[in-house]
Amino acid sequence: QVQVVQSGAEVKKPGASVKVSCKASGYTFIGYYMHWVRQAPGQGLEWMGRINPKNGGTNYAQKFQGRVSMTRDTSINTAYMELSRLRSNDTAVYYCARGSSNSWDLAYFDYWGQGTLLTVSS
Amino acid sequence: SYDLTQPPSLSVSPGQTASITCSGETLGDKYACWYQQKPGQSPVVVIFEDSKRPSGIPERFSGSNSGNTATLTISGTQAMDEADYYCQAWDGTTEILFGGGTKLTVL
Repeated sequence: QVQVVQSGAEVKKPGASVKVSCKASGYTFIGYYMHWVRQAPGQGLEWMGRINPKNGGTNYAQKFQGRVSMTRDTSINTAYMELSRLRSNDTAVYYCARGSSNSWDLAYFDYWGQGTLLTVSS
Repeated sequence: SYDLTQPPSLSVSPGQTASITCSGETLGDKYACWYQQKPGQSPVVVIFEDSKRPSGIPERFSGSNSGNTATLTISGTQAMDEADYYCQAWDGTTEILFGGGTKLTVL
C-alpha cells in the first residue's frame, strides 16, 4: 500500500534553515510528482511547490522563491524540502503529498504524509 | 493573482444537506477538488476532477463546478462529517491554490 512518511518535529531559531524529508513506499517513486503544502496554526492550507522525482525538476510558489529548495534521492525514494532564512511566521505543519497526475490541471493530492511540525522561535 | 474564496463557516443539522462553495474567476474552466481535514489529521481528498469520488468516500459527498463556482454537497450530513473543507485548483500558470477553508459544524 502507498505510504508517505515524514521526518519528525523540528525547532529552529530565526534565520536558520530546516530540511524535512518524505519517504515514499508502495508505488513507483519516480512516476509521481511530490508536492509540499504547509499549514500555520489555525490557518488554511498553502501550496509551496512540487518536485518531479524522475528528473529533479521543480516548480515553486512565487511566495517561496529564493527561500525554498526541493530535492530528492531516488535511491531511497525520499523527497526533501529545505526552507531557509526562517522567520517566526514559518511556524507550521509541513506536509508532503503525492500528486495524482503530472498535469497541472488534473493534479490533486491522493496520499499525504503525516505532517512535520516546525517551530521557529528564539 | 488568482484567488479561491470559501465561506469561513457553515452550520447544518444532522440529516440536512450541506453545500460549500468555492469561487474563483472562470473556475468552471478548471478542475476543482475538495479535501476534508479533521483536527490533528492530514487532509483527505473527497472529490476530484469536479465531481469524482475516490474509493472509500461515501456517496453522500458530491461535487459540481460551473461558471465561477465549484460546490461540494454533502447529502444527509452526519456528525462524522464535521471538519474543515478546502477546495483546490490550478491557477492557470505554475501554481496550485487552496481556498481559505470552510469549517463545517453539524449540530
